[in-house]
Amino acid sequence: AQSVTQPDIHITVSEGASLELRCNYSYGATPYLFWYVQSPGQGLQLLLKYFSGDTLVQGIKGFEAEFKRSQSSFNLRKPSVHWSDAAEYFCAVGMFSGGYNKLIFGAGTRLAVHP
Amino acid sequence: DAGVIQSPRHEVTEMGQEVTLRCKPISGHNSLFWYRQTMMRGLELLIYFNNNVPIDDSGMPEDRFSAKMPNASFSTLKIQPSEPRDSAVYFCASGDVYEQYFGPGTRLTVT
Repeated sequence: AQSVTQPDIHITVSEGASLELRCNYSYGATPYLFWYVQSPGQGLQLLLKYFSGDTLVQGIKGFEAEFKRSQSSFNLRKPSVHWSDAAEYFCAVGMFSGGYNKLIFGAGTRLAVHP
Repeated sequence: DAGVIQSPRHEVTEMGQEVTLRCKPISGHNSLFWYRQTMMRGLELLIYFNNNVPIDDSGMPEDRFSAKMPNASFSTLKIQPSEPRDSAVYFCASGDVYEQYFGPGTRLTVT
């Protein structure tokens, strides 16, 4: 069955430090992959997506993610974290069937940023 | 563009009452999705519309839940009768068959 695993429930980093959030997926075909961010009391905002082509994708707010097919991973990175990055981050895999891209979300990783 | 608009943002109701959540998708998007988010179950897709037609309602939990999309600019999710276990944040998202853009959500509390 298709699934998304985000191994880290909570992560705390210092402002200015680098960040990597892990995401592993299980899907038989070539996946469509997404990262969303949710600030408290807000909806989900799309950070970046991978459909095909270059496996390193750039997103908004200085984030990037790398698709590694051999590891079934799509980890999110940022070289220097800002306090405003504190939020919950969701990885999702899209299964294109029935004429649309059905998103399966991971459980999320909550990021705290220390000054 | 104003993004996906949802109303109300917060709803508190008593068990047994009817609840109606509203969504206005982004203009030009032909797909609309309703999700429910809870601590226990995370984000779950309830129903998907394409060109105002329900395509996949396999995530609708039970007959108490119903969704409509009478036109391209409006959708409703109704719960009748509501139960405490329906307490959650309900998101509407619009987009195309590949991407989805989420609204701010409606936080529903059923007492």
